Amino acid sequence: GAVVSQHPSWVICKSGTSVKIECRSLDFQATTMFWYRQFPKQSLMLMATSNEGSKATYEQGVEKDKFLINHASLTLSTLTVTSAHPEDSSFYICSASRKPREQFFGPGTRLTVL
Amino acid sequence: GENVEQHPSTLSVQEGDSAVIKCTYSDSASNYFPWYKQELGKRPQLIIDIRSNVGEKKDQRIAVTLNKTAKHFSLHITETQPEDSAVYFCAASNGTASKLTFGTGTRLQVTL
Repeated sequence: GAVVSQHPSWVICKSGTSVKIECRSLDFQATTMFWYRQFPKQSLMLMATSNEGSKATYEQGVEKDKFLINHASLTLSTLTVTSAHPEDSSFYICSASRKPREQFFGPGTRLTVL
Repeated sequence: GENVEQHPSTLSVQEGDSAVIKCTYSDSASNYFPWYKQELGKRPQLIIDIRSNVGEKKDQRIAVTLNKTAKHFSLHITETQPEDSAVYFCAASNGTASKLTFGTGTRLQVTL
């Protein structure tokens, strides 16, 4: 149980385009979902926390207009990277939680912006 | 906000030896400390966790110790095996918000 999926697993796009990444909790309802970014050989940095039906809470330094998060249901959250640029190339990982102290991670999405 | 420091950044041990990774945190409200193992290109996997009302927890070859007063916690891996080679991250959370702050990671290499 507690499986989280992400789609796509990897994506290559041209600079200036937008990319949408989906995060789904397959066998449970997630009250909270988290989005992380991980640059090569670095740690996971929390970008934002989202609760179903409400606006996401962004971490300091993360542009909410550039990284749009929609948590439309208890099993789906999406991250849209708008007007992507090469510096946005990274490994994006989501996690889903049913209760405090619990996070189930998705497999990650590798974004490459040319 | 919370700040988690992790040492060492790289660690090389021979198979069968022990490995110790140390983390310190800054927020005294943190009360949950998980450890994750991440292989290249994969998701982090929870390997062990400890809550602030416990000083030590063990699961087979893996143990975690917590010193709340000093605000540090450590991961101990005994009888290391080549498959233990990976990047290990510590993290801290105040529980209520579930928000995790990760350490900088330790690349563990177990050599034959």
